[in-house]
Amino acid sequence: KNQVEQSPQSLIILEGKNCTLQCNYTVSPFSNLRWYKQDTGRGPVSLTIMTFSENTKSNGRYTATLDADTKQSSLHITASQLSDSASYICVVAGSQGNLIFGKGTKLSVKP
Amino acid sequence: EPEVTQTPSHQVTQMGQEVILRCVPISNHLYFYWYRQILGQKVEFLVSFYNNEISEKSEIFDDQFSVERPDGSNFTLKIRSTKLEDSAMYFCASRAGQGFAGYTFGSGTRLTVV
Repeated sequence: KNQVEQSPQSLIILEGKNCTLQCNYTVSPFSNLRWYKQDTGRGPVSLTIMTFSENTKSNGRYTATLDADTKQSSLHITASQLSDSASYICVVAGSQGNLIFGKGTKLSVKP
Repeated sequence: EPEVTQTPSHQVTQMGQEVILRCVPISNHLYFYWYRQILGQKVEFLVSFYNNEISEKSEIFDDQFSVERPDGSNFTLKIRSTKLEDSAMYFCASRAGQGFAGYTFGSGTRLTVV
């Protein structure tokens, strides 16, 4: 069964600190993996998209990694800001374009 | 930046009533999707639509659901006889024909069935 598992479920960090979120998936066939940021009550907003041939991709303070052999990905956030507080969702695209979502990691950045 | 627009942002309906959720995808996009997110749970795929027909649907998308692209701009999700468990955020998404980079979500419609 196609699944996307994320850890931790929730995370609290102090402003300015770094953090790393994890994602494991079993989706096959695999098209691409993306990380989304979702604020409460809003639609997901794309942070990064990676195909199986990409190992690392950065978008400002966000850096995503992908190991297609072990089917693992991570999202590293550097120098966190209060506005980073949100759910971060790992999403894997299947071959038909439909997206399979993880449950997300709820990140809270405290001053 | 182009947006996917969904209306209404919040809809309250009585159990058993029909609802239509509306979406205006990005104008040059060819693939359209509906997802839902029950409060506190993950986003779930409902249906994909291309070339005026359903290309894939999940087991959630049963006979009470239907989608339509009635004109060149709107993409609708109809729930025929709503149940309490249909209460969720419903997200519309669209993408251009080439690649996945342009996959864009709307802000969602919060459906509350009472």
